[in-house]
Amino acid sequence: NAGVTQTPKFQVLKTGQSMTLQCAQDMNHEYMSWYRQDPGMGLRLIHYSVGAGITDQGEVPNGYNVSRSTTEDFPLRLLSAAPSQTSVYFCASSYSMSSGSSNEQFFGPGTRLTVL
Amino acid sequence: GQQVMQIPQYQHVQEGEDFTTYCNSSTTLSNIQWYKQRPGGHPVFLIQLVKSGEVKKQKRLTFQFGEAKKNSSLHITATQTTDVGTYFCAGRGGSQGNLIFGKGTKLSVKP
Repeated sequence: NAGVTQTPKFQVLKTGQSMTLQCAQDMNHEYMSWYRQDPGMGLRLIHYSVGAGITDQGEVPNGYNVSRSTTEDFPLRLLSAAPSQTSVYFCASSYSMSSGSSNEQFFGPGTRLTVL
Repeated sequence: GQQVMQIPQYQHVQEGEDFTTYCNSSTTLSNIQWYKQRPGGHPVFLIQLVKSGEVKKQKRLTFQFGEAKKNSSLHITATQTTDVGTYFCAGRGGSQGNLIFGKGTKLSVKP
């Protein structure tokens, strides 16, 4: 199992450019999510999905779009990049959203994005 | 909305000293999870606590969940340089809610 994979690892964009951060998992997890991590701010939820075809907004969704056409993939799209979106982005997956036992989140290695 | 507060933000210790990080929620939690993130790495799951007053141990790490299920702590005995990183708690408010992460405690250990 590769677990959760993310591409690219690093990206530099100019203000106004768009791009897609890729995320895939091979554990047949229902739940997938995107977080951004900024210094001193912890992990903030951007968007999440509880299954193919179902997505919802998290704490900081503005400027980002997601889709979930398959169980495995959950791409994050930046529509028009802004310097405030400079951050480290983590994709994560877990079996479900419930509070059941062993429902840990598996994180990808992250994408370090700089917007100039 | 639900908030999870974590203190301290930073902790610097001498190798061999103990370390504790505390997590407090504004609402009752159904469970709480703890993650460790090494410098330059990604968060890695450590443990989940579900029951009121639960205490779990992993070698030198002791995790507690408060009786009211609104607070939790992680205690490391006799820290080692391998313990360096940021420790996050993450709480779930309901049976089907998203995890809300604390801001983390960054631990540095001086050899």
